[in-house]
Amino acid sequence: DVKVTQSSRYLVKRTGEKVFLECVQDMDHENMFWYRQDPGLGLRLIYFSYDVKMKEKGDIPEGYSVSREKKERFSLILESASTNQTSMYLCASRWTGTDTQYFGPGTRLTVL
Amino acid sequence: GQQLNQSPQSMFIQEGEDVSMNCTSSSIFNTWLWYKQEPGEGPVLLIALYKAGELTSNGRLTAQFGITRKDSFLNISASIPSDVGIYFCAGHNAGGTSYGKLTFGQGTILTVHP
Repeated sequence: DVKVTQSSRYLVKRTGEKVFLECVQDMDHENMFWYRQDPGLGLRLIYFSYDVKMKEKGDIPEGYSVSREKKERFSLILESASTNQTSMYLCASRWTGTDTQYFGPGTRLTVL
Repeated sequence: GQQLNQSPQSMFIQEGEDVSMNCTSSSIFNTWLWYKQEPGEGPVLLIALYKAGELTSNGRLTAQFGITRKDSFLNISASIPSDVGIYFCAGHNAGGTSYGKLTFGQGTILTVHP
């Protein structure tokens, strides 16, 4: 079974803090993605990575950065958290050439 | 970026009823996908559609890829309480530098009353 894990299910941070969200997949997938999920807006792509050390901006990259030093791990970084970044964050991965993205359980981040 | 409009936003139904939801796009997709997200979990793929006009079933679920390639439909027959969740449509254009990026609809929240 494909497994995508995220480091925390719930996280509470203060405005201005640096926040790291970690995602690990165990299926040797080349591509990994970070989304945020907000009610009424669906899933919106923040960043994705098509290979180690490679990254591309998604639709809403402002205020975020990413890091992919190893194939199995993709990190989302909030350099200076703000209240409008309170959201559910979902990580996903897939094999190149397939359509199916496998999702982690999500991290619900609250920024106070 | 591309926009997907998914409707309805929410549905409250009785167990045993059929459910229909749809997605429309301002542009063409090569692939349509339907995902379900259960409470506390990430979305899971239900059905993938690859060809305009295609009709595909997965148990009580049936999905169609619209002829215009700008829409897709999902039907659930004889709903049961475990159908509860958020259903998302997603469109994909393969090839080039897409790297598998999906465009998601806003989601349909389904509540089933026993």
